[in-house]
Amino acid sequence: EPEVTQTPSHQVTQMGQEVILRCVPISNHLYFYWYRQILGQKVEFLVSFYNNEISEKSEIFDDQFSVERPDGSNFTLKIRSTKLEDSAMYFCATHPAHRSYNEQFFGPGTRLTVL
Amino acid sequence: QKEVEQDPGPLSVPEGAIVSLNCTYSNSAFQYFMWYRQYSRKGPELLMYTYSSGNKEDGRFTAQVDKSSKYISLFIRDSQPSDSATYLCAMINSGGYQKVTFGTGTKLQVIP
Repeated sequence: EPEVTQTPSHQVTQMGQEVILRCVPISNHLYFYWYRQILGQKVEFLVSFYNNEISEKSEIFDDQFSVERPDGSNFTLKIRSTKLEDSAMYFCATHPAHRSYNEQFFGPGTRLTVL
Repeated sequence: QKEVEQDPGPLSVPEGAIVSLNCTYSNSAFQYFMWYRQYSRKGPELLMYTYSSGNKEDGRFTAQVDKSSKYISLFIRDSQPSDSATYLCAMINSGGYQKVTFGTGTKLQVIP
């Protein structure tokens, strides 16, 4: 069964450093998302991406965050200057973009620890 | 008022018990209602979804939606130790490609 994959599984970085989290979507899916989950809190929407542009973003997704699909396969989330409060699990999700299809498929997540 | 509210638990039940998990919400625009299961340090996995009000059954799982009360439920019959996980209710305004709004999750432990 096809699945979303994410790398790395755990990233440790120093405050102020840039990090790039990578996701390989399911091959025929067209919508891509990033969500995050701070320890003990709910899963929160960050951004959705379709047709090489951002469809929607939350108030969390400020100028420190960016997304791109540089090579037509990987979907990346970049945090330019990490803060302590960026420590969280980051989940990539994908959707085939058929209106009748409701499931978003989630990857296993990247645990980001900012020291 | 939070957009989606869910009792965080933890909920501990003996094997074979019927489990009831619930969420309330405030946004009348939600039309798709889902339950995800999340094991420790894993991504959410879709269990069930329903569109608008009504019931949906899948094996030991039954999802109920009451839009008039803004209340959704998940029932697990004959619970098994393998059902031990965190259960997240989730909602979408319209279309599966829209952003998902999650509840905080209820941690369930089924004791053998």
